[in-house]
Amino acid sequence: EPEVTQTPSHQVTQMGQEVILRCVPISNHLYFYWYRQILGQKVEFLVSFYNNEISEKSEIFDDQFSVERPDGSNFTLKIRSTKLEDSAMYFCAVRLRDRGNNEQFFGPGTRLTVL
Amino acid sequence: GQNIDQPTEMTATEGAIVQINCTYQTSGFNGLFWYQQHAGEAPTFLSYNVLDGLEEKGRFSSFLSRSKGYSYLLLKELQMKDSASYLCAAHNAGNMLTFGGGTRLMVKP
Repeated sequence: EPEVTQTPSHQVTQMGQEVILRCVPISNHLYFYWYRQILGQKVEFLVSFYNNEISEKSEIFDDQFSVERPDGSNFTLKIRSTKLEDSAMYFCAVRLRDRGNNEQFFGPGTRLTVL
Repeated sequence: GQNIDQPTEMTATEGAIVQINCTYQTSGFNGLFWYQQHAGEAPTFLSYNVLDGLEEKGRFSSFLSRSKGYSYLLLKELQMKDSASYLCAAHNAGNMLTFGGGTRLMVKP
């Protein structure tokens, strides 16, 4: 299975602080996604990224969030001024160029805890 | 709006067969995914149905009826390691996935 890595695996921050979550997808991805999952709840779409720009975003992805590709390989999700309700698992996912079934491969996730 | 419904919990016996149902109401529907998620881990891909009918892959099969907005995941010869949450997700025209709340399956000896 294709490898998608995320760092850090666990991030603890104080309310109001900024956090940056990182993802390194494999090279032949077509689309890139961020999802979140609050403990005990469903996986929720945040944003998709295609051809170096945002292609779609959900209502959750407000001005507090931003996504970047700082060095051409890594993707980052920045959360400005974190709130308690931002505590969740954040997954990045990729869709590959050579897979016709639209399968999305998920990274292992970053657990964000906002205190 | 988008709505995906699946049972919250199911229990089955090792070696048995279990069917997990999913109904969906979404706009711009492209296909239906099933993912497996163990506690504290990422979702892993099980199946993707675009056309009506049954797709079989080893012990797991998935069925789709687009006219009824209905899908199911069938797990045969259950093993203890199959205890996990099973996530139904609709693939929409915008290429995003809309997930249901997941069905937590407990396999008992």
